[in-house]
Amino acid sequence: AQKVTQAQTEISVVEKEDVTLDCVYETRDTTYYLFWYKQPPSGELVFLIRRNSFDEQNEISGRYSWNFQKSTSSFNFTITASQVVDSAVYFCALSEYSTGGFKTIFGAGTRLFVKA
Amino acid sequence: EAQVTQNPRYLITVTGKKLTVTCSQNMNHEYMSWYRQDPGLGLRQIYYSMNVEVTDKGDVPEGYKVSRKEKRNFPLILESPSPNQTSLYFCASSPGDVSYNEQFFGPGTRLTVL
Repeated sequence: AQKVTQAQTEISVVEKEDVTLDCVYETRDTTYYLFWYKQPPSGELVFLIRRNSFDEQNEISGRYSWNFQKSTSSFNFTITASQVVDSAVYFCALSEYSTGGFKTIFGAGTRLFVKA
Repeated sequence: EAQVTQNPRYLITVTGKKLTVTCSQNMNHEYMSWYRQDPGLGLRQIYYSMNVEVTDKGDVPEGYKVSRKEKRNFPLILESPSPNQTSLYFCASSPGDVSYNEQFFGPGTRLTVL
């Protein structure tokens, strides 16, 4: 069965610190997709990144970077030099194809507080 | 503007009174889905649909119904709401092709069932 674990419920850092948000997933499928979404205090959900199971390349986008390791079933997210605007809840998600379409499981989320 | 819209945004109702939350997207997306968000549980998928007349259950379908008669609309129906359905609901859509792009989420509907 699918499962996504974000063990860190809340993280608090001071501005300019680096922070890593952990995501561990479980799946029996060989084809799957992993995502990170951001939910700022305003409540909307913002897409950050997608990775498919055949693409283990790490990715960097500005201050954001992602480390996908199939060997440990992890898809961790690092924010370098954090800023107050990074304060949000971050969700990791796993999607697999099912009969009616893509079934998606989200982790419980990690709430990040960045203090000035 | 490309968007997913939900109505109403806020709703307070009473147990047993049927209600419908509408969801519409203007991006010609094939894939649509409903989620509920509860504290400490993240988002949980209720139903999803790959195309018109094709729907399937997510992880928490009990107490909900959906229909997909048109590509752009995917309403969520609560036939007899109960207090445990008090939650924040999100509708989402996606192109749904094999590369599976990200889901675009609506603004959310906060439902309170008394």
